[in-house]
Amino acid sequence: QKEVEQNSGPLSVPEGAIASLNCTYSDRVSQSFFWYRQYSGKSPELIMSIYSNGDKEDGRFTAQLNKASQYVSLLIRDSQPSDSATYLCAVNIPGYSTLTFGKGTMLLVSP
Amino acid sequence: GAVVSQHPSRVICKSGTSVKIECRSLDFQATTMFWYRQFPKQSLMLMATSNEGSKATYEQGVEKDKFLINHASLTLSTLTVTSAHPEDSSFYICSARESGYSNQPQHFGDGTRLSIL
Repeated sequence: QKEVEQNSGPLSVPEGAIASLNCTYSDRVSQSFFWYRQYSGKSPELIMSIYSNGDKEDGRFTAQLNKASQYVSLLIRDSQPSDSATYLCAVNIPGYSTLTFGKGTMLLVSP
Repeated sequence: GAVVSQHPSRVICKSGTSVKIECRSLDFQATTMFWYRQFPKQSLMLMATSNEGSKATYEQGVEKDKFLINHASLTLSTLTVTSAHPEDSSFYICSARESGYSNQPQHFGDGTRLSIL
């Protein structure tokens, strides 16, 4: 059974700190990995994609992938109150038409 | 690029009304589109996978006669909630993935908030 696990949170960090969001997945053949941000009452928005082991940086966001440990994370540097949202981890498993989503981690950044 | 447009954004109607929601991929072709439902403070729930030119695939527990899906072209899928009742009130979100690129992400529409009185 394909599973994507995330801590539901909330993860509370002060403004300016680094927020670390984690995700584990069960299917070893998973090939591509995505992070979405969902503000309350809005639809999910893609913020990062990562396909190979290591780090990928985009502005204040860094995605980290470790396929051996079946682990993907998202780091948000210099967290801002506007980063407060639910972050969804999604995994592409070959043979499945849809991405498999985790239930999301709520991030709260306090001023 | 990769924009998905969803209309309407909000619907308020009386019980028993049928409501149609459109999902369009504006700058890419999507053989497959996905329909989700999300209740307040809950996670996304996949309702069905919409396939261009063929029948939709519904998730367990989703009534196909209640939620009619049509995917007549590579850029348009519609979801019709038939004879809607208050328990159908929810946030409905479509998403699409560019055809032929299985490693690509899904792009979401802005969602439709449906309120049945």
